[in-house]
Amino acid sequence: TQLLEQSPQFLSIQEGENLTVYCNSSSVFSSLQWYRQEPGEGPVLLVTVVTGGEVKKLKRLTFQFGDARKDSSLHITAAQPGDTGLYLCAGGMDSSYKLIFGSGTRLLVRP
Amino acid sequence: GAVVSQHPSWVICKSGTSVKIECRSLDFQATTMFWYRQFPKQSLMLMATSNEGSKATYEQGVEKDKFLINHASLTLSTLTVTSAHPEDSSFYICSVTLGLAGGHAGDTQYFGPGTRLTVL
Repeated sequence: TQLLEQSPQFLSIQEGENLTVYCNSSSVFSSLQWYRQEPGEGPVLLVTVVTGGEVKKLKRLTFQFGDARKDSSLHITAAQPGDTGLYLCAGGMDSSYKLIFGSGTRLLVRP
Repeated sequence: GAVVSQHPSWVICKSGTSVKIECRSLDFQATTMFWYRQFPKQSLMLMATSNEGSKATYEQGVEKDKFLINHASLTLSTLTVTSAHPEDSSFYICSVTLGLAGGHAGDTQYFGPGTRLTVL
């Protein structure tokens, strides 16, 4: 069974702080997606990375795909209360278009 | 991307009744859709892959007779929870994949807003 482990599971920080969320697996993925989900809503796509070593930036968010395509990280600079939510990483498999979801990281940014 | 809607957004039903949830791809003809369920404060669990014009593919441990999936058109997939019981109460979410049309990011999925089912 392919598993994606996310850490930490929960993070409570003060507005303005930086944080990093990790997504690790022993399996190789064809792509890695990061989603953010707010209570009572569906996940919203933040980014897709497909190349080993790839780094993508989305304003204050920086995403990195590991060289071996087994792991990824999400770094948020100067977190804001609006960043609060459940962050999910998901690994893609070539042939079936199925995604393997990580266990999730619940982020709370206190004003 | 793709815009996905779900209906209803929430439903309350009595134990033993059946509930149908619709998932529509509003701007993309989707041959493949996915159905997930999510328990409070947990991640998404894939239930099944919905294939247009053919039978759905269910994940291990998901009862196909309990969760009926029909993907009759390229823009609509339905999930029917038959003879619902309180343990079926959950947040059900569907998604659409652009597949090959998405190029390198073919396995990126776009999600609906979810349907909260409460069985009394």
